[in-house]
Amino acid sequence: QVQLVESGGGVVQPGRSLRLSCAASGFTFSSYGMHWVRQAPGKGLEWVAFISYDGGNKDYVDAVKGRFTISRDNSKNTVYLQMNSLRAEDTAVYYCTKRTFDYWGQGTLVTVSS
Amino acid sequence: DIQMTQSPSAMSASVGDRVTITCRASQGISNYLAWFQQKPGKVPKRLIYAASSLQSGVPSRFSGSGSGTEFTLTISSLQPEDFATYYCLQYNSYPRTFGQGTKVEIK
Repeated sequence: QVQLVESGGGVVQPGRSLRLSCAASGFTFSSYGMHWVRQAPGKGLEWVAFISYDGGNKDYVDAVKGRFTISRDNSKNTVYLQMNSLRAEDTAVYYCTKRTFDYWGQGTLVTVSS
Repeated sequence: DIQMTQSPSAMSASVGDRVTITCRASQGISNYLAWFQQKPGKVPKRLIYAASSLQSGVPSRFSGSGSGTEFTLTISSLQPEDFATYYCLQYNSYPRTFGQGTKVEIK
């Protein structure tokens, strides 16, 4: 069965960096684009970034452009989100999802606080 | 960017009620719309895709309709396990955008 397992979250100071990982299994990872979606505490869902199946196409929400980078390693069935220059407003649970949003990981909490 | 506006933002309903949630897109998105259910502390669950296609395993009391700019999620007879927050998502273009959510509470 499809499984997506995020890791890498934690507490980080403003301005610092963090890298999230999402390990996929149960499907042909190299055939699917992947997204990151986040949810701030008590707030709604916000799409963050997308990477195509081969990494050739990427897109980002304006709020993270220039600070976050999505990447993937198809040999490891893993998608990453490198988050630099973190801000308090980046505090959220970060989910990875398959291209069509049919499968989601359990999420990893990122807290940006001094 | 395409803005997705859901209404209402919150509602109270009773078990057995017919519930309708609306999502409006700021520009046409054909049928590239999905609906999600999220319960507190849980992962979002896709209910509907392509505006009206029911996700496998989702009860048939859930249905979706619409095309272009106006979409509807209908729960034909609300059950206790349906009390949750519902989100629409457009996937016609990037950036993907969610509606702000509709919280369905017990009356």
